[in-house]
Amino acid sequence: SFVLTQPPSVSVAPGETARITCEGNNIGSKSVHWYQQKPGQAPVVVIYYDTDRPSEIPDRYSGSNSGNTATLTINRAAAGDEADYYCQVWDNSRGVGVFGGGTKLTVL
Amino acid sequence: QLLESGGGLVQPGGSLRLSCAASGFTFPSYAMSWVRQAPGRGLEWVSTFNPMNQSPHYADFVKGRFTISRDTSKSTLFLHMKNLRADDTATYYCAKGTPGDPDYFDFWGQGTLVAVSS
Repeated sequence: SFVLTQPPSVSVAPGETARITCEGNNIGSKSVHWYQQKPGQAPVVVIYYDTDRPSEIPDRYSGSNSGNTATLTINRAAAGDEADYYCQVWDNSRGVGVFGGGTKLTVL
Repeated sequence: QLLESGGGLVQPGGSLRLSCAASGFTFPSYAMSWVRQAPGRGLEWVSTFNPMNQSPHYADFVKGRFTISRDTSKSTLFLHMKNLRADDTATYYCAKGTPGDPDYFDFWGQGTLVAVSS
């Protein structure tokens, strides 16, 4: 089965750039989607199809995907960005959805 | 809007049916999914109904135990769960996907908690 690997945690100082990676075998050939989940809340999509951003998501959020790594980048990180972030793909070869293990972002 | 219901406490080996009432979009045209999250754990995809070929998709760990279905006349998605185990304990989210084939989940309900315990 297709496996997505994320670092358990990422820390960044306020105002700096946070990068959260998602590794998978030739993930660059798939579309990667990213979700933000704050405590006690349902997930919210922040990036879809590698680089697209819903209109309500700040342009500080961006995504990239190439080779074996997809990356979610958050510029000018702020306390309000603290959350768990998950990458996700749809594995068409097996007809299953796959999530990464999630990354806890701390802004301190 | 997505409104889940049907969660609760059930004994191991028991059954439960979750419902997700949808509104605000053309329900029959969209892939609809169930995603779960065990307490303190990450997101785990469970099942998706593909409207393009009217076929269900399941994670290996629920095959043969869970069945996804929908009632388009009521814009409602269901998850029928049987032979429940302790490790099925989780919040189950209903998630709206893309029109047509499954891809990503662009809107989520608030979830319904399923607790499997004796």
